[in-house]
Amino acid sequence: DIVMTQTPLSSPVTLGQPASISCRSSQSLVHSDGNTYLSWLQQRPGQPPRLLIYKISNRFSGVPDRFSGSGAGTDFTLKISRVEAEDVGVYYCMQGTQFLTFGQGTKVEIK
Amino acid sequence: EVHLLESGGNLVQPGGSLRLSCAASGFTFNNYAMTWVRQASGKGLEWVSGISGSGRSTFYADSVKGRFTISRDNSKNTLYLQMNSLRAEDTAVYYCAKTNPGIAAVEYYYYGMDVWGQGTTVTVSS
Repeated sequence: DIVMTQTPLSSPVTLGQPASISCRSSQSLVHSDGNTYLSWLQQRPGQPPRLLIYKISNRFSGVPDRFSGSGAGTDFTLKISRVEAEDVGVYYCMQGTQFLTFGQGTKVEIK
Repeated sequence: EVHLLESGGNLVQPGGSLRLSCAASGFTFNNYAMTWVRQASGKGLEWVSGISGSGRSTFYADSVKGRFTISRDNSKNTLYLQMNSLRAEDTAVYYCAKTNPGIAAVEYYYYGMDVWGQGTTVTVSS
């Protein structure tokens, strides 16, 4: 099974400052069709998960452009250019290249 | 706008049964595979089950295989999860989610969640 490892597990950030979350997979997420099925989810407190990014860097409908995804192969990053109060929550990476695996989650909180 | 509304969660004794429902709107329901994902309190996400748009193909996590049954009624735009032989470890918030091609590889289409409902709480306890 592919293991997804996120760092850090907790990220205190200052409002208006950038934040970055890393996700590393135990093997390459490049599929035989050439795509890399790496997504990012946001879960605000008391809310369901919400899809932010799919296929590494594609923002889902309605997602603000302060969220961006990058990476390739086994190393991926979610960046928030300027953190807002509504960005507080837990962020998960998720791979759908080979079965399905979630990262353990990164908690973003305001300093 | 896509909207998913789960219902049916409750407190149930170990060994008991429960049926969850998920009413869908805002999209052509029978065109999309649907899934159930659960989350125990303070824990991460666990995929539970998926079903193709037609309902002919179903998929289960090993932890629920043989105990849970996923189904759908496309005439009612509703997804179901029949849960039997419930255990304490099944206690969680259960979310239904719509899938979208491109979120997961084509052979794993039932894993490609894009929109999630608000969830319904299942508690298994005596």
